[in-house]
Amino acid sequence: SQTIHQWPATLVQPVGSPLSLECTVEGTSNPNLYWYRQAAGRGLQLLFYSVGIGQISSEVPQNLSASRPQDRQFILSSKKLLLSDSGFYLCAWSLTGGRSEQYFGPGTRLTVT
Amino acid sequence: SQQGEEDPQALSIQEGENATMNCSYKTSINNLQWYRQNSGRGLVHLILIRSNEREKHSGRLRVTLDTSKKSSSLLITASRAADTASYFCATSTQGGSEKLVFGKGMKLTVNP
Repeated sequence: SQTIHQWPATLVQPVGSPLSLECTVEGTSNPNLYWYRQAAGRGLQLLFYSVGIGQISSEVPQNLSASRPQDRQFILSSKKLLLSDSGFYLCAWSLTGGRSEQYFGPGTRLTVT
Repeated sequence: SQQGEEDPQALSIQEGENATMNCSYKTSINNLQWYRQNSGRGLVHLILIRSNEREKHSGRLRVTLDTSKKSSSLLITASRAADTASYFCATSTQGGSEKLVFGKGMKLTVNP
């Protein structure tokens, strides 16, 4: 069966510090991968998605970036965090070909102070 | 921009009652999906209905889709306290997109 891991679960970082969140998927090959951000009490904002190694599509201009160094690894990064980067970050995967359900990780709660 | 909009934004009912949540969207879709999110957790996929389907059932869940009105409804029958969560609709749009567009979500509280 497939599983998706995200870490860390919670993170408190000062403004201006770097960020690296990691997501890995097990039990499937060549998945589509997604990074979302969810502000408190709000819906999901798609940040990045990837249909293959090294293929990243950015949805929202911001100071975040994403990379996919391996087939089942998706990394969200920032060189300098802003207060507005606080939120709940969710990674998800889906089968290739799109139009199918997405499976979410447990999320990372990021607080920028 | 957000495609789906859930209605109502919050609903509080008693255990055993039925809960109906509605979702409206703006553009043509391939499918519409419903997800549940317990507080502080990731989303869990509940059900997917394709654009050529009108109704779908899964256990206590019933989803309808009206493409002429660009709307969907999720009915949870015989609700339980464990159904307390936020519910989101998400649409996959036509054109081969690999993305889903999520609504803002709706908070359901089932009181024991």
